[in-house]
Amino acid sequence: DAMVIQNPRYQVTQFGKPVTLSCSQTLNHNVMYWYQQKSSQAPKLLFHYYDKDFNNEADTPDNFQSRRPNTSFCFLDIRSPGLGDAAMYLCATSRGGFGYTFGSGTRLTVV
Amino acid sequence: TQLLEQSPQFLSIQEGENLTVYCNSSSVFSSLQWYRQEPGEGPVLLVTVVTGGEVKKLKRLTFQFGDARKDSSLHITAAQPGDTGLYLCAGALQISGSRLTFGEGTQLTVNP
Repeated sequence: DAMVIQNPRYQVTQFGKPVTLSCSQTLNHNVMYWYQQKSSQAPKLLFHYYDKDFNNEADTPDNFQSRRPNTSFCFLDIRSPGLGDAAMYLCATSRGGFGYTFGSGTRLTVV
Repeated sequence: TQLLEQSPQFLSIQEGENLTVYCNSSSVFSSLQWYRQEPGEGPVLLVTVVTGGEVKKLKRLTFQFGDARKDSSLHITAAQPGDTGLYLCAGALQISGSRLTFGEGTQLTVNP
């Protein structure tokens, strides 16, 4: 089945130690998104790629970076994770804003 | 200021009851989506509405998009414990292209 796959499902990292979360898709969607969701809150868009064009949200901290080496893969890099970055990170895809599909998320714990 | 106001924030009801969740905004959306999310999982798309006044039914769930495309509602008939979850509305603004803005969510608990 076509889908959005996030790895790992659970990630524990040390305070200040760089961490990378990955997302892959078999839907051939041209848009890929990264959302941060904290407990009992709505998902918050960090940035998205429309094809190869990177679109950063104005309030996304510089600590968060992203890479999209090809259509199928997108990575979220957190350069120096702080305790406040502990959250569920959701990857999503769409075809030009339609057919949104979310992955199952990666739960990040910072110790 | 929250672009999409969702209410109620929490709802606990008995099995068999009906309920309605509301999603309101002062902005016009090109489309609006409803998602259901279970703990530890990503949101799962339930429906997308794009036309003002549109009504869509999904088994016991009825979704309505306001005539002015600024608001939406989700009505569940005869709720079941399996309906328990976080319900999120999300809208795409005409000027924001493919970006989605989420409401704060409604945590629904259906007790047996």
